[in-house]
Amino acid sequence: GDSVTQMEGPVTLSEEAFLTINCTYTATGYPSLFWYVQYPGEGLQLLLKATKADDKGSNKGFEATYRKETTSFHLEKGSVQVSDSAVYFCAQDMNTGFQKLVFGTGTRLLVSP
Amino acid sequence: GAVVSQHPSWVICKSGTSVKIECRSLDFQATTMFWYRQFPKQSLMLMATSNEGSKATYEQGVEKDKFLINHASLTLSTLTVTSAHPEDSSFYICGITGGETYGYTFGSGTRLTVV
Repeated sequence: GDSVTQMEGPVTLSEEAFLTINCTYTATGYPSLFWYVQYPGEGLQLLLKATKADDKGSNKGFEATYRKETTSFHLEKGSVQVSDSAVYFCAQDMNTGFQKLVFGTGTRLLVSP
Repeated sequence: GAVVSQHPSWVICKSGTSVKIECRSLDFQATTMFWYRQFPKQSLMLMATSNEGSKATYEQGVEKDKFLINHASLTLSTLTVTSAHPEDSSFYICGITGGETYGYTFGSGTRLTVV
């Protein structure tokens, strides 16, 4: 069935390091893809999204490009900060036109000073 | 974008009692709402899709009689955990969809602890 797979964490980085969190998906058709962030004890916040192939979503220095040929949507940031420490979830809407959302297992990012 | 309010943010209850969690869409008429459960190792599981005026659609493996969902209006959906047990302790998150225009918006979650 349709799913999302993302790299296991935790990912531990020093401040100003480059971040990549891998995400791949399986789907019928062309789903919309998302990255959400969850800070400790809080709900989910949309970080960025892409709705069609080759789209690049970006926000707060984070970027991800919808790659249809590799069914991937990897999250990147050139220079992480301590405040970026959180859990990051990749998600897709299973080509339902924003009517259903399934998540990957989440990747915890820990950034040290 | 839409704003979703979820209450309570945390609740402690005794085994065998029922707990109701509310999810309100404050500025958007949400035909569809979602309920997720987050397990200790952070994985988010879609429990059910709540449709206004009709029965909720539950995901495979989710007990309908255990997790009662009511979506009586376009701005309110409730999740009732019936006869709660310690294994029901978890973080529950609701969300709505505003289609491609507004996307998905989530509540801040409810931490349920059953003792």
